[in-house]
Amino acid sequence: QLQLQESGSGLVKPSQTLSLTCAVSGDSMNTGGYSWSWIRQPPGKGLEWIGYMYHSGSTSYNPSLKSRVTISVDRSKNQFSLKLSSVTAADTAVYYCARSSGSYGWIGPWGQGTLVTVSS
Amino acid sequence: QSVLTQPPSVSAAPGQKVTISCSGSSSNIGNNYVSWYQQLPGTAPKLLIYENYKRPSGIPDRFSGSKSDTSATLVITGLQTGDEADYFCGSWDSSLSAVVFGGGTKLTVL
Repeated sequence: QLQLQESGSGLVKPSQTLSLTCAVSGDSMNTGGYSWSWIRQPPGKGLEWIGYMYHSGSTSYNPSLKSRVTISVDRSKNQFSLKLSSVTAADTAVYYCARSSGSYGWIGPWGQGTLVTVSS
Repeated sequence: QSVLTQPPSVSAAPGQKVTISCSGSSSNIGNNYVSWYQQLPGTAPKLLIYENYKRPSGIPDRFSGSKSDTSATLVITGLQTGDEADYFCGSWDSSLSAVVFGGGTKLTVL
């Protein structure tokens, strides 16, 4: 059974870079032709897709975040990462990693999520 | 403001049926697949419906999805108290080259 687990700093200072890692277990990231996504949810609000990466390294990012986002993959560890630069309080959210289907649009399964707070 | 439009809330009694709508445009729902997600309180979203009407393994057939033109609908029959959750629709948007979501609908089982 495929499982995903986010890890990283839960508190980031304004203007710094948010860094998270998603460990994938139960299957290899390079099987099935799936993409691997990051999604976030501000407290009490809706979902916002951040971007995805294929195992090949090709990426697609949300245009509203594109200038600040980098998603990368570590094939040897079967995990992928998110970096979001120049963060502000508006970036405070629960961040989820998940398997996705590229432009088919569906996302699942999801990790349990990790809360990242941007505050000095 | 979300690209896809959902009603903020719906409610129904146990055992009854409820429908949740999701409205978009030709750049998303009109020409791409729709998916639906269930988010129980304090948990991560779970994929309920993908590619308009397909159910992942383990999702009961009480949950069904459909699409027509630029709108989609999630139907839940035989409502249970455990179905109380937020429900989100999603789709690929060809103009934005991004996955977009609805704002979410809170289901209350009275």
